[in-house]
Amino acid sequence: AQTVTQSQPEMSVQEAETVTLSCTYDTSESDYYLFWYKQPPSRQMILVIRQEAYKQQNATENRFSVNFQKAAKSFSLKISDSQLGDAAMYFCAYRNTGFQKLVFGTGTRLLVSP
Amino acid sequence: NAGVTQTPKFQVLKTGQSMTLQCAQDMNHNSMYWYRQDPGMGLRLIYYSASEGTTDKGEVPNGYNVSRLNKREFSLRLESAAPSQTSVYFCASRGEARTGAEQYFGPGTRLTVT
Repeated sequence: AQTVTQSQPEMSVQEAETVTLSCTYDTSESDYYLFWYKQPPSRQMILVIRQEAYKQQNATENRFSVNFQKAAKSFSLKISDSQLGDAAMYFCAYRNTGFQKLVFGTGTRLLVSP
Repeated sequence: NAGVTQTPKFQVLKTGQSMTLQCAQDMNHNSMYWYRQDPGMGLRLIYYSASEGTTDKGEVPNGYNVSRLNKREFSLRLESAAPSQTSVYFCASRGEARTGAEQYFGPGTRLTVT
């Protein structure tokens, strides 16, 4: 069974600085999808970024980028120029191609200080 | 376009009571999902429906039933609530237009069973 591990329960960053959240996963599949979701205090789950495993290029969305290391089964999220609004829980998630189920990690709480 | 909506937002039940959580999406998505979120455990899949008329068990289906009423609506029923079902429940949907399309989440229902 696939598993997703987020080993950092909590991370802190100052405004305007850069922070990296870690995620590793375990799978025997070669084709799959990886996602980072943000959950602010409102509880709404918001997609931040996604990566398709067959693409070697790392995904980027504005201040958010990933470092996808397929051989190492690692999928970290980098947030540049951190803002107070980035404070939230961040969940890493995995899905097989064509399979319905999203497997989530346990989350990392990101604190942003002025 | 409201996306994914859930009712109610909050609910308190006594042990043994029953209730139905409602979910609707207006994005014409085929797939719909129910997750529960417990502290320190990320989101876990309860049931999903790949298309109208079909439902399948996820990771933690015990104590729940679902109905895919039509393409828009997917309800989750607790027949006899137990304190272990105290959780936040999320409904999600996914389109098929692009393989790997992300899941869109509703705002969640916080359920407390006393």
